[in-house]
Amino acid sequence: QSALTQPASVSGSPGQSITISCTGTTSDVGRYNYVSWYQQHPGKAPKLMIYDVSNRPSGVSNRFSGSKSDNTASLTISGLQAEDEADYYCNSYTSTNFYVFGTGTKVTVL
Amino acid sequence: QVQLQESGPGLVKPSETLSLTCTVSGGSISSYYWSWIRQPPGKGLEWIGYIYYSGTTNYNPSLKSRVTISLDTPKNQFSLKLNTVTTADTAVYYCVRGAGWWEYWGQGTLVTVSS
Repeated sequence: QSALTQPASVSGSPGQSITISCTGTTSDVGRYNYVSWYQQHPGKAPKLMIYDVSNRPSGVSNRFSGSKSDNTASLTISGLQAEDEADYYCNSYTSTNFYVFGTGTKVTVL
Repeated sequence: QVQLQESGPGLVKPSETLSLTCTVSGGSISSYYWSWIRQPPGKGLEWIGYIYYSGTTNYNPSLKSRVTISLDTPKNQFSLKLNTVTTADTAVYYCVRGAGWWEYWGQGTLVTVSS
C-alpha cells in the first residue's frame, strides 16, 4: 500500500487561504469517509485537525476545513496565520483494513 | 484530560527486539482503541497497529510479521514489541488513543537502532 500523495510544500501570505490536497485511490480515500488531517510543528507530536473528512475536534479553529471529491481529500486553511506554519499529514482507512498516511506537506507563511 | 507517556530503551541493537510501554493517565484503558505510530527522523508518519480494550489487534501489513501490541489493564498500560529490528526501524514512536483518527498523543520517544 503506497502512501497518499500530498504536495511537498504550499505557501501563502498572512490572511490568504491555502488548500492542501491528499490523493489516494478507490481503495482508500475514494471508498471511505475516514480521512483525517494532522498538524505537526517541529519537535512536537501531531495534532488532530480534521476527522471523518470534514469534522473538527473541539478546540480546533474554524479556519480549518476539510472536504473530499472522488479520490482526493483537501484541507483548507483560511485566514492564514504565522502559527499555521507546520507540516500537515492526511490519513485514510483502506480496503485492506489498515491506515495509510500521506507524504506530508510543509506549509510556509510568507 | 487523557495523557499518554511512552517509556523504554532509546537504543536497540540490530536483530534485537524493540520494546516500548505507554502509560495512560486521566482515563481508563478499558475502553477505546490504542495505537502505535512512528516517524523516522525527517520523514513522514507510519501507522504500526492498534489494540482494542477487548484484546483485538490489527497491524500494518508491512510490519505484521514482527509486531505485537498488548494490554496491561491493571497497570493502565499498553505495549509494543517489534522483533528483528534494523536501522530502518529508527524512529520516534508515538502511543496514541484511537483507531482511524487520533486525538490524544504521547510526546513520542526516539528509538535508535545501532550497534
